[in-house]
Amino acid sequence: SQELEQSPQSLIVQEGKNLTINCTSSKTLYGLYWYKQKYGEGLIFLMMLQKGGEEKSHEKITAKLDEKKQQSSLHITASQPSHAGIYLCGPRGGSEKLVFGKGTKLTVNP
Amino acid sequence: GAGVSQSPSNKVTEKGKDVELRCDPISGHTALYWYRQSLGQGLEFLIYFQGNSAPDKSGLPSDRFSAERTGGSVSTLTIQRTQQEDSAVYLCASSPRTTTNEQFFGPGTRLTVL
Repeated sequence: SQELEQSPQSLIVQEGKNLTINCTSSKTLYGLYWYKQKYGEGLIFLMMLQKGGEEKSHEKITAKLDEKKQQSSLHITASQPSHAGIYLCGPRGGSEKLVFGKGTKLTVNP
Repeated sequence: GAGVSQSPSNKVTEKGKDVELRCDPISGHTALYWYRQSLGQGLEFLIYFQGNSAPDKSGLPSDRFSAERTGGSVSTLTIQRTQQEDSAVYLCASSPRTTTNEQFFGPGTRLTVL
C-alpha cells in the first residue's frame, strides 16, 4: 500500500508568518490531493495536483507536486488564524479510495 | 446549496450494542465514501459506493461493519456489537465524479463506545 508521511506533524506560527507543510509518498505519485480539516466541519478540498511540477494556488495557499521526489509541498503566505486546522494530503491513483497522511496540525496565533 | 450531512453528530453507546450512522450525500453525486478517523490517526477508508456497481468493501475492518446505500442516495453504516476500539469519528463523503474526483465531506459522527 502507499504510505504518506507528512511533516511537520504539528506547527505553531505567529499570524503573518509564512509556513510550509510537506507530504512524502513511499511510492510514485500520479497526483495528489490536499484537504483541510476543521473540527466539526469535515474535510474541505483545497486542490488537486496532477502533473509533476504542477503548482496551484488558492487564495494564499500554494501547493506544488514534485513527482521525482515523490513529494508535495504546501505553502501558506502571511498566515491568518483562519488558516488554522489540520492539513491532509492524499494520493491520486488508479483507485478512487483516498489514503491520507496523518495530517499536519496548524495553529496560527494572533 | 446543501452539503453532505451526517447524523447523529455524536453517539455514545455501550460496548456490545449496535449503532447506525447515517449519511445524506449531495443530490446528484454518484459516489459515496465512508472513512474512519481515530484520535491521532489519518483517515482510514472503509467502503465506497459508485452508482449501481457493487460496493468496494475492502476497507471494512471486520464483519461487524456493514453499509448500505438505498436508491443511490442515503447511506447507512452499521456497526454491530460495538467495541471500544470502534470509537472514532466516522466521515462520509460524496463525489460527482468530475475530473478532479473531488470529494465533499460531511462533518462526521463522533462515536464513543464505553
